[in-house]
This record gives sequence, structure tokens and C-alpha cells, in this order.
Amino acid sequence: EPEVTQTPSHQVTQMGQEVILRCVPISNHLYFYWYRQILGQKVEFLVSFYNNEISEKSEIFDDQFSVERPDGSNFTLKIRSTKLEDSAMYFCASSEGGKGWNQPQHFGDGTRLSIL
Amino acid sequence: AQKITQTQPGMFVQEKEAVTLDCTYDTSDPSYGLFWYKQPSSGEMIFLIYQGSYDQQNATEGRYSLNFQKARKSANLVISASQLGDSAMYFCAMREGFPYGQNFVFGPGTRLSVLP
Repeated sequence: EPEVTQTPSHQVTQMGQEVILRCVPISNHLYFYWYRQILGQKVEFLVSFYNNEISEKSEIFDDQFSVERPDGSNFTLKIRSTKLEDSAMYFCASSEGGKGWNQPQHFGDGTRLSIL
Repeated sequence: AQKITQTQPGMFVQEKEAVTLDCTYDTSDPSYGLFWYKQPSSGEMIFLIYQGSYDQQNATEGRYSLNFQKARKSANLVISASQLGDSAMYFCAMREGFPYGQNFVFGPGTRLSVLP
């Protein structure tokens, strides 16, 4: 069964450094998402992406964050000048169609980001 | 206001017994979908089951079923014949149809422990 893949599984970065989290969504999916989950807390929406542009973002997704689809398969989340509070599990997800309430989002296994 | 409420932070169930995980939601949109995800200790998010607001019948998927009570705005997950591998966090999530909100709103989760 096709799946969303994320790399790396664990990223350790010094505070203030830039980090790029990578995702390969399911190949025929059109909508892509990033979520984060701070340890022990619920999953929070960051951003959704369709047709090479951001379609929705939360208040968490400030100027420190950016997303990109650099080629036909990868979807990346960049965090500039990381802060301690950015430490979390970051999930990438994709769905076949976005504008339907019955579309499940398929999640990757996550990247655990640790900021030192 | 919380859109998704899961009132049980933790639940225990004996192996082979059934268990119900509660989820209530808040929306004024007539079109919405409710989803359940499982998060094992390894961290990945696994899609389990979906219920649409217009579905006449409760969703079922193997040992998972959804007790959907629309008037009460509840969508409880029932796991029959619990197995040790069912021990995990379970998240209820909602996606509203208008204005084409593409993000899932997750509840705080319920940690299920299956006892041998």
C-alpha cells in the first residue's frame, strides 16, 4: 500500500539554525499538509498546500516557517532560526482530494525535531 | 471553544473485551467528516475509520465501528475483541466542509491500555 514517507526520522539541531524536514507524499495525492505534535500534546495543524501554493495556514505557521514542493515528489518544511519551542514531532500528510470532508489524510511516520 | 472533546485521558480494557472511546464535536456546518486515528508508542499516525455527516449508517471497519449520534454530536469509537496491539493513543478528528477547511482539528486523545 502506498505511504507517505518522511526523512529524517529524528533531527537534532542547535537553536538558531535552519532545518529542513522532507516528505514524499503518496504519488497521486494532490493536497499536502504539515502538522506538529509537541510531546504529550495534541496534533496541531500548520499548513496545507495545493497546486504549488499554500491554501491554508494556522497562526503557528509564522514567518519562521516555509513550505516548498521543489520537484514532482518532495514536499518540504523549512524552519528558519529554530527556537527551543520548535521541538516537536512534525507530521506530513497527504490526501487524494482536499475539497471534500470525506477525504482521509494519510500521515507519514513523523520527524522528531529536537532543538538544543 | 474546543471543537473536539475526548473526555477520557486514559482507558483500560481487558484483552478480548470491547471498549468505547468517546468523542464529541462542535460544528455548525452541516457537512463534516469525523475521523479516528491511532498513534502507537512508535509515533506514527494510522487512519482507522471515517464517518460522514450525511451517512445514514454507522461506519465499520473490521474490529472498529463508530457509534455516530448526530443529534448529540458524538462519534464514539468502538473496538471489539481488544488485542494487546491496540494499546495506543487514539485521536478523534474533524474536518468541516465549508469554507473548505482543509485542516483536521484533532482532539486531545485517549490513551488506551489493553491488559493481558
